[in-house]
Amino acid sequence: DAGITQSPRHKVTETGTPVTLRCHQTENHRYMYWYRQDPGHGLRLIHYSYGVKDTDKGEVSDGYSVSRSKTEDFLLTLESATSSQTSVYFCAISESKTGTQETQYFGPGTRLLVL
Amino acid sequence: AQKITQTQPGMFVQEKEAVTLDCTYDTSDQSYGLFWYKQPSSGEMIFLIYQGSYDEQNATEGRYSLNFQKARKSANLVISASQLGDSAMYFCAMREGANFGNEKLTFGTGTRLTIIP
Repeated sequence: DAGITQSPRHKVTETGTPVTLRCHQTENHRYMYWYRQDPGHGLRLIHYSYGVKDTDKGEVSDGYSVSRSKTEDFLLTLESATSSQTSVYFCAISESKTGTQETQYFGPGTRLLVL
Repeated sequence: AQKITQTQPGMFVQEKEAVTLDCTYDTSDQSYGLFWYKQPSSGEMIFLIYQGSYDEQNATEGRYSLNFQKARKSANLVISASQLGDSAMYFCAMREGANFGNEKLTFGTGTRLTIIP
């Protein structure tokens, strides 16, 4: 358990409204990520962060923005939600142990429905 | 071109048999990492196993092993003695480049494994 929580876990919203999803971690990990999961696409990276106020775009960043003002929180904002942003959103953190072992742990996910 | 290809959309396997889930990858980087995740019907993503491109031995974690064939660019997951609880979606993923700790992953489309009693 990497201490990752996401809120809300479920959300229904209307087209054109702003939506913010929160990812919270308790173990001081430097790297955090937002992915979306859609049928037939696996998971795709939206944005990631490599430190407080340090973020960069992923593969599918259009229509999304992120912020990280504290190490423990990484926020994903849909400025004006569209139906194509209906998806399951996963937050993740990287953990690199001594040597070469790398692991990426995921939060429980947020199901977002945009009507 | 697809960076991660999982050619088996679905598989049915008898309980207690071994199962191999295929994954091929495409990268020009010398340093990369390969991951496998399990996603049960409850939806969470569970990390199973990791293989680094410079690791000389195949990774193993309990009943999971990764059959890493670098020249063929394949990283198949082998589950020994399958159990009913192994029924899930399985995703192969890759981290490219040598940014140790910064693991932007590219995922395949997954294989749905069903274990038959």
